[in-house]
Amino acid sequence: DIQMTQSPASLSASLGETVSIECLASEDIYSYLAWYQQKPGKSPQLLIYAANRLQDGVPSRFSGSGSGTQYSLKISGMQPEDEGDYFCLQGSKFPFTFGSGTKLEIK
Amino acid sequence: QVQLKETGPDLVQLTQTLSITCTVSGFSLTTYNVHWVRQPPGKGLEWMGAMWNGGGTDYNSAFKSRLSISRDTSKSQVFLKMNSLQTDDTAKYFCARSFNYGSYVMDAWGQGASVTVSS
Repeated sequence: DIQMTQSPASLSASLGETVSIECLASEDIYSYLAWYQQKPGKSPQLLIYAANRLQDGVPSRFSGSGSGTQYSLKISGMQPEDEGDYFCLQGSKFPFTFGSGTKLEIK
Repeated sequence: QVQLKETGPDLVQLTQTLSITCTVSGFSLTTYNVHWVRQPPGKGLEWMGAMWNGGGTDYNSAFKSRLSISRDTSKSQVFLKMNSLQTDDTAKYFCARSFNYGSYVMDAWGQGASVTVSS
């Protein structure tokens, strides 16, 4: 199975700060990478797919980049509603696998 | 409006079988795929398997032969059945729709069904 190593495990940011979360795949996943946000008690919400395509309705302060084995999610200007857990998901090979998650909080 | 809703038992006895139904609306099961993903309390997400729009299935081998996914397109329902439950199967079980962009990405999720496995 492809292992997705996500970092950091937790992060606190001030309002307006730019934040980055990383995912490292154990092998090339050919940009088949998605990012999700999850609020407590809720289901995951798709932010980015294909490494850098913004899902409809997601604010433009969210962006994704990367290729091969290294990918990142950037939030340009932290907002209060951005608090939550973030997960990456690889869709290159079965079984699909998720990163372990990043808890993002307001400082 | 795209919606998915999971219904199933809150509590299942050790070694028994879990059955959860995902009822969808706003899209057709013959056009979109439906996946099952679970999340143990306070932990990360685990992909379990998928029902493809053509009727085929794929499973995470971590569940070996315990897991079965089926559907009834006339009722817009997808079913998860998993046997020989253990305490570490306690989790919230989500169904999610996916679309194909070259790979598959889950773009709409149900609210999840919380299941506790009790001894």
